[in-house]
Amino acid sequence: AQKITQTQPGMFVQEKEAVTLDCTYDTSDPSYGLFWYKQPSSGEMIFLIYQGSYDQQNATEGRYSLNFQKARKSANLVISASQLGDSAMYFCAMRGWNRDDKIIFGKGTRLHILP
Amino acid sequence: GAGVSQSPRYKVAKRGQDVALRCDPISGHVSLFWYQQALGQGPEFLTYFQNEAQLDKSGLPSDRFFAERPEGSVSTLKIQRTQQEDSAVYLCASSTPGDGYTFGSGTRLTVV
Repeated sequence: AQKITQTQPGMFVQEKEAVTLDCTYDTSDPSYGLFWYKQPSSGEMIFLIYQGSYDQQNATEGRYSLNFQKARKSANLVISASQLGDSAMYFCAMRGWNRDDKIIFGKGTRLHILP
Repeated sequence: GAGVSQSPRYKVAKRGQDVALRCDPISGHVSLFWYQQALGQGPEFLTYFQNEAQLDKSGLPSDRFFAERPEGSVSTLKIQRTQQEDSAVYLCASSTPGDGYTFGSGTRLTVV
C-alpha cells in the first residue's frame, strides 16, 4: 500500500523567505511519481511540480523545487522567495508504477505568508 | 472543453435525500477519478474509470455511493440516502497518459 505523510499541519513564514514543506512517502512499487499541489481558499487543485522516481535530477518549476531523497523516501517542496499569494494548502501526492493510476494525497500543510 | 467541469458547484441536501454530482472531463481524457475531501483534510480516493470501465471502486465508503460513466465521457457520482458525514467537497479529475491530471473546482455537498 502507498502512504504519504505530511507532518506540518501549519506553517507561518515571512514574505520573501524560502520555505520547505516536508513530505515522506511509503511504497513497494519500484517505479512511482510524486506530485505537489496547491489548493487556495477558492478550492481548485493547482498542479505545481512532478518528480519521477527514476529522474536523475531534482525537479524545478520556477520558484518551486522538489528536494527528492529517494533513500530517505522524502520529497520536500521548496518555495524560494515566498509571496503573499503563496498562502494556501499544499498537498504532497504520489502515484504508483502505472502512469495512469490514481494518485493518493497527504493530509496537507497550510502555509501562511506574513507581510 | 478547456478544463474539467463539475456541477453543481454547491449542493445542500436534507438527510436521507439522494444526490447526483456531475463531472465533465477534458475531451479525450481516458481516465477519470473521483475524490472526497473533508474540511481541512486531503482528498481521499473514491473511484476510477478508464473510458466506461470502472477499474477501481475501492474507496467508495458504502453501498450508498455509486458512480457511472456510461459513454466514457461524462461521469455521475450518486449518493443515496445522504447522511451528515457525507458532507464534503467532491473533486473530479481526468487524465490521459503523458498529460497529467486536471482537477475540477469540485462540488461542495452539505447535508443538513
